[in-house]
Amino acid sequence: AQSVTQPDIHITVSEGASLELRCNYSYGATPYLFWYVQSPGQGLQLLLKYFSGDTLVQGIKGFEAEFKRSQSSFNLRKPSVHWSDAAEYFCAVRSNDYKLSFGAGTTVTVRA
Amino acid sequence: GAVVSQHPSWVICKSGTSVKIECRSLDFQATTMFWYRQFPKQSLMLMATSNEGSKATYEQGVEKDKFLINHASLTLSTLTVTSAHPEDSSFYICSASKVAGGLGGEQFFGPGTRLTVL
Repeated sequence: AQSVTQPDIHITVSEGASLELRCNYSYGATPYLFWYVQSPGQGLQLLLKYFSGDTLVQGIKGFEAEFKRSQSSFNLRKPSVHWSDAAEYFCAVRSNDYKLSFGAGTTVTVRA
Repeated sequence: GAVVSQHPSWVICKSGTSVKIECRSLDFQATTMFWYRQFPKQSLMLMATSNEGSKATYEQGVEKDKFLINHASLTLSTLTVTSAHPEDSSFYICSASKVAGGLGGEQFFGPGTRLTVL
């Protein structure tokens, strides 16, 4: 069965600083990987996804993620965070039956 | 495109009553819809998968008689929490998938429904 681990429960970053959120997955086949963002009391918004091809994926809001098969990782990065990036971030892996398994999430706090 | 709505956005009910939550795909036909439950500060847990015109498939540990799911059309799925109790209080999120297979199986999420059972 597939699973996702997000090692960091909470990250605090200064506005304008860079951000990296870690994600490790466990899946037997080629993984379909996703990063979602959730603002308080809201649903999920897709930031980016990886299916195949280029291992560096560009997403919305200036985010990017790099797929590293050798490390079973799919870390999310942003060069310069904005106060509006404060939210909960979820990494997910999709199985062959199209079900998503989510990590526990990482809460990002942005300080001025 | 690919907008999913949920109604209501929040609901408060008395213990023992039933509550229905609607999930609609507004601008596309969804062959598959998913229902998730999210506890405060926790991740999303898949409850069930519903395909239009067929019975929902429930995840292990989810009571199908308590959480009734109906996917009557390609744009509407409903989740009914029957005889709700305080422990059913949670944030319920649905998602809809455009096509059953291939890369188009991406899920689009609704804004969620906050259920509070008194």
